[in-house]
Amino acid sequence: GENVEQHPSTLSVQEGDSAVIKCTYSDSASNYFPWYKQELGKRPQLIIDIRSNVGEKKDQRIAVTLNKTAKHFSLHITETQPEDSAVYFCAASKGGAGNQFYFGTGTSLTVIP
Amino acid sequence: GAVVSQHPSRVICKSGTSVKIECRSLDFQATTMFWYRQFPKKSLMLMATSNEGSKATYEQGVEKDKFLINHASLTLSTLTVTSAHPEDSSFYICSARGSFGTGANVLTFGAGSRLTVL
Repeated sequence: GENVEQHPSTLSVQEGDSAVIKCTYSDSASNYFPWYKQELGKRPQLIIDIRSNVGEKKDQRIAVTLNKTAKHFSLHITETQPEDSAVYFCAASKGGAGNQFYFGTGTSLTVIP
Repeated sequence: GAVVSQHPSRVICKSGTSVKIECRSLDFQATTMFWYRQFPKKSLMLMATSNEGSKATYEQGVEKDKFLINHASLTLSTLTVTSAHPEDSSFYICSARGSFGTGANVLTFGAGSRLTVL
């Protein structure tokens, strides 16, 4: 099955700096890679996703890059703000409604004002 | 966008009782729903995949007789924790995956249910 690894487990940055979270996956058949943000006691919320036919995707201060050959993808947050503080999860999945998602172990991001 | 409703958000019960958690997809049909358990400051642990009209698929180590899953319609899946014990106390989150179009890949989560067993 798929194995998703995520690093780092904790990350602290100064407000305004950039944050990068990296994930690797093992199953070359995985073709969909979402990133979720989870605030304490809340549900995970999708913040950005990328499909295997794309190498990079950007949405304002958030970007995701995918390297299919190396089987890794990364989340980049620029100009971080205190409200970016949360736990971030990467995931990998194959297409199809019945296919499960494999989650990374999460990164707790703290943005220091 | 897709909305998944989960109830109750919090439940406290006595040891030995059963608790039912509902998960509904409000604006889309979900042939498949996923149930996760999350421990404090930990990742999402997949418990089972709920399939509409058929038996759920449980992950290794998850007791199917302990965690009963029913997916009777395309918009509703339920998780029943039977004969709950304190060690079952946890945050349970359901999710549903869109089944067609651009939403086919997107996984939407319910708000979660915080179960406390006394």
